[in-house]
Amino acid sequence: GAVVSQHPSRVICKSGTSVKIECRSLDFQATTMFWYRQFPKQSLMLMATSNEGSKATYEQGVEKDKFLINHASLTLSTLTVTSAHPEDSSFYICSAIELAGGGKNIQYFGAGTRLSVL
Amino acid sequence: GNSVTQMEGPVTLSEEAFLTINCTYTATGYPSLFWYVQYPGEGLQLLLKATKADDKGSNKGFEATYRKETTSFHLEKGSVQVSDSAVYFCALFTGNQFYFGTGTSLTVIP
Repeated sequence: GAVVSQHPSRVICKSGTSVKIECRSLDFQATTMFWYRQFPKQSLMLMATSNEGSKATYEQGVEKDKFLINHASLTLSTLTVTSAHPEDSSFYICSAIELAGGGKNIQYFGAGTRLSVL
Repeated sequence: GNSVTQMEGPVTLSEEAFLTINCTYTATGYPSLFWYVQYPGEGLQLLLKATKADDKGSNKGFEATYRKETTSFHLEKGSVQVSDSAVYFCALFTGNQFYFGTGTSLTVIP
């Protein structure tokens, strides 16, 4: 079945540094990918919608200059957390949409990246 | 607006017990409904889905029926196993965006 690979699975960084997270669709082309953030004991929060070849669409309250998203190809989207601070520590999850038959889309999730900013 | 409400956990059951995790939603239009499962240390996986009213999604012994009249999509399993221990998320998809519930943690003890 379709698989979405997210890398790295865990990253620890110092405050002020930037971290890049990759999201790849392994056996299908994804024109649309999503980036979510998961807070402890809370639901997933959609951060942005990433469309191949165009600028990402950010949800209200998400700083686009802090969370840079690049969807360079049909199989790769990256999220860069710039100048990370401890409050950015969280679990980030990407997902990719596969266009299934009958016009129904199926969303597949990556394994997530746990970011810890010291 | 659109939203999903699911029962709070954690839920602890003995092996072979019956499981119900309640999920209700509010939505404009006719969304698709999903249950996702997150096993420890892993990402979300699609468990089952239903795309229109009265559809029943099923997988791995889990079932959920899309009830438009009660705006519900309760997850059920007749006999849980230890390997079912995970966090379960109810979600709706409007065609443009997903909305997730807060997740329900399930622990099954032998």
